[in-house]
Amino acid sequence: QKEVEQDPGPLSVPEGAIVSLNCTYSNSAFQYFMWYRQYSRKGPELLMYTYSSGNKEDGRFTAQVDKSSKYISLFIRDSQPSDSATYLCATYNTDKLIFGTGTRLQVFP
Amino acid sequence: GAGVSQSPRYKVAKRGQDVALRCDPISGHVSLFWYQQALGQGPEFLTYFQNEAQLDKSGLPSDRFFAERPEGSVSTLKIQRTQQEDSAVYLCASSLEGLTEAFFGQGTRLTVV
Repeated sequence: QKEVEQDPGPLSVPEGAIVSLNCTYSNSAFQYFMWYRQYSRKGPELLMYTYSSGNKEDGRFTAQVDKSSKYISLFIRDSQPSDSATYLCATYNTDKLIFGTGTRLQVFP
Repeated sequence: GAGVSQSPRYKVAKRGQDVALRCDPISGHVSLFWYQQALGQGPEFLTYFQNEAQLDKSGLPSDRFFAERPEGSVSTLKIQRTQQEDSAVYLCASSLEGLTEAFFGQGTRLTVV
């Protein structure tokens, strides 16, 4: 079992839709959770990170962690075609980031 | 520079050839990481430096892989006798400290033919 599981998609939504991206993780000791966005042929770009349980909001993006179910989510409101990318969830263990496989999102006009 | 810079962006190597991939981290960043990203997968950890010290190399897939950061700034990932399974994007990341805010370069896409 991978330490971080993520549905690879692809997920295709119309412009303006609310998008929900999700991951599960296996180790209850994980405390920090990150979301990265990766455009085609580019490196991952950090969107936001959260510590432990709860919500964190940044503009149209909201990250949510539920430690009781080991479930992390990223919500994108009012999605735009420019949001089309692969979204990677991640956590870390000592000195290494552990990534999910990434979910490919396509927002069509 | 403003971000993490990697070179070359693309590298085609014949099987058995040695390659060297370069990473220029953000100035002042203490921590430097190398990751390998296969097509359709998330990045996988290779190795970690704090300044010039290589503190973790547990992710290097074989002894053909070697990384160095001799002066605590620029790092080089070397792959000897490349194999087809080495084909991937090699990503470098740096951070001031810790992993919550690591910044990635654009990667080097290595194709072994």
